[in-house]
Amino acid sequence: AQSVTQLGSHVSVSEGALVLLRCNYSSSVPPYLFWYVQYPNQGLQLLLKYTSAATLVKGINGFEAEFKKSETSFHLTKPSAHMSDAAEYFCAVRHGGSNYKLTFGKGTLLTVNP
Amino acid sequence: DAGVIQSPRHEVTEMGQEVTLRCKPISGHDYLFWYRQTMMRGLELLIYFNNNVPIDDSGMPEDRFSAKMPNASFSTLKIQPSEPRDSAVYFCASSFGQGDNEQFFGPGTRLTVL
Repeated sequence: AQSVTQLGSHVSVSEGALVLLRCNYSSSVPPYLFWYVQYPNQGLQLLLKYTSAATLVKGINGFEAEFKKSETSFHLTKPSAHMSDAAEYFCAVRHGGSNYKLTFGKGTLLTVNP
Repeated sequence: DAGVIQSPRHEVTEMGQEVTLRCKPISGHDYLFWYRQTMMRGLELLIYFNNNVPIDDSGMPEDRFSAKMPNASFSTLKIQPSEPRDSAVYFCASSFGQGDNEQFFGPGTRLTVL
């Protein structure tokens, strides 16, 4: 069965610092992986996705993630944090084949300090 | 496109009352998903539909919960009778079942059961 583990429920960085949000997955088939962002009182918005093409995936707002099969990881990074990046971030894995279910991690709350 | 539309945005009700949440997916999308988000359990998939047919309802917590999709542009999630532990944010999402099947989320309905 597919599962996702996000290490760290809360990450705090200074404005301008590197953002690193960790995600490890477990999947019995080649995975589709996603990062979503949720701003306060809003729904989830897709940041980026890995669908077995390039292992380094670039998303919106300067975020990117690298798929590492050997480490079963899909960590999210951004070189320089901005105050507007403060939000909750969710990693998700899609079940394979014709099963379109997504399993989400518990989420990581990112705080950006001035 | 207006995106996924959910109503109401907020619902406050008393224990034992019937609650109906509504969702209008993005036009042309053939998959619809209902999620529940709580602090304790995170984001959970309750049920999803393909072409208006329920495919997987294994996440529906108990018989008090039911979901319908009478046509391609409308779905409901009903709780009868409601209980305080049903208090959560309920999200609807839709997707097009080709390619990577990105899910687009609505703004959610915040349900409070007193």
